Amino acid sequence: SQQGEEDPQALSIQEGENATMNCSYKTSINNLQWYRQNSGRGLVHLILIRSNEREKHSGRLRVTLDTSKKSSSLLITASRAADTASYFCATDPYTGANSKLTFGKGITLSVRP
Amino acid sequence: DTGVSQNPRHKITKRGQNVTFRCDPISEHNRLYWYRQTLGQGPEFLTYFQNEAQLEKSRLLSDRFSAERPKGSFSTLEIQRTEQGDSAMYLCAEWQGGHSPLHFGNGTRLTVT
Repeated sequence: SQQGEEDPQALSIQEGENATMNCSYKTSINNLQWYRQNSGRGLVHLILIRSNEREKHSGRLRVTLDTSKKSSSLLITASRAADTASYFCATDPYTGANSKLTFGKGITLSVRP
Repeated sequence: DTGVSQNPRHKITKRGQNVTFRCDPISEHNRLYWYRQTLGQGPEFLTYFQNEAQLEKSRLLSDRFSAERPKGSFSTLEIQRTEQGDSAMYLCAEWQGGHSPLHFGNGTRLTVT
């Protein structure tokens, strides 16, 4: 079963625009992670936010976490055609153990040049 | 390339044949995970190892699937008597501990004809 659920399922934007992707989950978490996957490749880690953090930045990425609503958002600013990929949120339910990350179904982002 | 390495990248096999995939992690003795990903879905957990010990197996891992990690280094995933439903991308990932993310290989894409 998949704990995280991303929204929307697909997103198409123009280069230069911002892309916002949302993730909701069901159970308590230790941290929440966002990954990116290019077609036919493995997943690449983008950013990790711990349960006691509310916002985190990394370059053009901004992640928020609202544990009361069990939701997270990933914002990509000033998008580029190279950002075209699938994006997944993943939840780690156990403190320090990372026994198994549970992934959502993903969001397909298309950035038009 | 010092990342997680998976071989082969692609495997086409006929139904009923056995296949074996290999994963070489970055470092020995880190936790090693196997995930399966079908088209349009996120990765689904199959199993993981801490050193050579297989600590958890998903119900997705039927008795036709077996995984090993001899000596706590590389790992193999074998599927016996393959079925068309086994067609998927099989991903290996390594975890280095603490609040660190998973490092994925590029996967092995299995097609069962």
